[in-house]
Amino acid sequence: AQTVTQSQPEMSVQEAETVTLSCTYDTSESDYYLFWYKQPPSRQMILVIRQEAYKQQNATENRFSVNFQKAAKSFSLKISDSQLGDAAMYFCAYRSGFGNEKLTFGTGTRLTIIP
Amino acid sequence: GAVVSQHPSRVICKSGTSVKIECRSLDFQATTMFWYRQFPKQSLMLMATSNEGSKATYEQGVEKDKFLINHASLTLSTLTVTSAHPEDSSFYICSARVDLAGETQYFGPGTRLLVL
Repeated sequence: AQTVTQSQPEMSVQEAETVTLSCTYDTSESDYYLFWYKQPPSRQMILVIRQEAYKQQNATENRFSVNFQKAAKSFSLKISDSQLGDAAMYFCAYRSGFGNEKLTFGTGTRLTIIP
Repeated sequence: GAVVSQHPSRVICKSGTSVKIECRSLDFQATTMFWYRQFPKQSLMLMATSNEGSKATYEQGVEKDKFLINHASLTLSTLTVTSAHPEDSSFYICSARVDLAGETQYFGPGTRLLVL
């Protein structure tokens, strides 16, 4: 079974600075998808960014980018120019590419933005 | 992005009663929807996969007779918590994937259930 590990229960960053959230995963599959979801205090899960395992290029969405290291099974999220609205729980998630649509989530990282 | 709604957003019920939670995909069809449960300060745990027109697939340890799932149309799935007890109090979240349009799941806003 696949597992997703987020080793940082809490992180904090000064507003306008850059922060990196860590995520590692364990799988024997070669085809899969990785996601970062954000859960603000409203508890609405919001997709931040996704990465297909077959793509070597790291995904980027505005201030959010990932460092995908397939061999190391690492998928970190970098948030640049942090804003107060970035404060939330961030969950890393794994999805198999072989028909099983289930998402396996990590335990989450609570990100605090310091004004 | 795709929009998923849930109703109600919060519900309080007495122990022993049943509660129905609706999950709707508002602007897309979703053959498959998912139901998650989230305890305070914890991650999301998948309860079951809801398939339109067929029986739901439950995760290990989830009682299918207690958590009834019905996916009667391509835009609606319902979760009924039968004979609810205080330990069923939790945050329930559904998600849906846009058919034939990628691998991303879009989440509803969640339903907070409190059983007294």
